[in-house]
Amino acid sequence: EVELVQSGGVLVQPGGSLRLSCAASGFIFSSYNMNWVRQAPGKGLEWVSSIGGISTFNHADSVKGRFTISRDNAKNSLYLQMNSLRDEDTAVYYCARGWTGAFDYWGQGTLVTVSA
Amino acid sequence: QSALTQPASVSGSPGQSITISCTGISSDVGGYNYVSWYQQHPGKAPKLMIYDVTNRPSGVSDRFSGSKSGNTASLTISGLQTEDEADYYCSSYTSNRRVFGTGTKVTVL
Repeated sequence: EVELVQSGGVLVQPGGSLRLSCAASGFIFSSYNMNWVRQAPGKGLEWVSSIGGISTFNHADSVKGRFTISRDNAKNSLYLQMNSLRDEDTAVYYCARGWTGAFDYWGQGTLVTVSA
Repeated sequence: QSALTQPASVSGSPGQSITISCTGISSDVGGYNYVSWYQQHPGKAPKLMIYDVTNRPSGVSDRFSGSKSGNTASLTISGLQTEDEADYYCSSYTSNRRVFGTGTKVTVL
């Protein structure tokens, strides 16, 4: 059974840093693209970052230069390093397995609150 | 990259069919057959309902179907049921990125 288990929610001050993690099981992790998608309170879904099996990656313009996606295939884990956090980064962050066409399995979500 | 355009809300009675549109441009929806649809109930993670425009993952009811014409993709729900009441989002691949739709709230009357 495919499972994506994310780390717990956190409160961080504006300008601060945070690393999210997502532990995968039930599939060959290195064979899949992995992604981060976020959802601000009461808002829609927003793609954040994608990383391929050999660690080629892309980021949305809204986070480029501040967020970095990475993966450790030996630990079956996905990460999102978030720096210079802003109020508007407050959201539930989901990790999701996917390919070019879709995201087929999602984690349970991690609430990140950026507030002083 | 702008979000894909969806109607804010669509409603229907049980048993009816409804269609949700998803309008993009030639560099996203119109340029690739990589449109997907997600169902999201309150407080839950999204669930994949349609991928690659028309394909249903295993376990998804055949009441859900997808199509595309030009820059607009569509999700049709046939035989509407109370459990279909949720938010629905489309998504498209575009130039090594992904873009989501604005979201549609489906209400079962």
